[in-house]
Amino acid sequence: GAVVSQHPSWVICKSGTSVKIECRSLDFQATTMFWYRQFPKQSLMLMATSNEGSKATYEQGVEKDKFLINHASLTLSTLTVTSAHPEDSSFYICSARGHRTDTQYFGPGTRLTVL
Amino acid sequence: GDSVTQMEGPVTLSEEAFLTINCTYTATGYPSLFWYVQYPGEGLQLLLKATKADDKGSNKGFEATYRKETTSFHLEKGSVQVSDSAVYFCALSSTNAGKSTFGDGTTLTVKP
Repeated sequence: GAVVSQHPSWVICKSGTSVKIECRSLDFQATTMFWYRQFPKQSLMLMATSNEGSKATYEQGVEKDKFLINHASLTLSTLTVTSAHPEDSSFYICSARGHRTDTQYFGPGTRLTVL
Repeated sequence: GDSVTQMEGPVTLSEEAFLTINCTYTATGYPSLFWYVQYPGEGLQLLLKATKADDKGSNKGFEATYRKETTSFHLEKGSVQVSDSAVYFCALSSTNAGKSTFGDGTTLTVKP
């Protein structure tokens, strides 16, 4: 149980285009989802927290107009990187947490490369 | 605020050696504590957790005990294998509604 999927697993795009990454909880209802960014050989950087049906809460320094997060259902959250630039290239990881639990379950990550 | 401090890596061991990765924390209240493992190119997997003082989490030969008096949650394994090579993250969660706080990760390499 507690499986989280991400799609796509990797994506290459041109500078200026937008990319959407999906995060799904496959066997539980995720009341809260988190989006992280991870640079090579570095720890996780929390970008935002989203609760189903409400606006995401962004961490300081994260541009909410650039990284659009939608959590429209209890099993799906999406992260859209708008007008992507090479500096947005990174490994993006989502996690999901069910109701009344403190354990996060992570997706396998999405490698984004912006040319 | 909450924080997690992990032993700096990288750690390199020979197969069958004993492993300890230190983790200490500061937090308000009574957090739950976690160890996650990340294999190359993958997301994080929950390795083990403990929710209250003196609890011991264990999985796949790994163990960690929640020590409130020393605010620690050190990860141990008696005999590591090459397949244990990965990055290990210590984390805490203070409340059910809150986000988790992660350490910087410790890279473990096990050589045959």
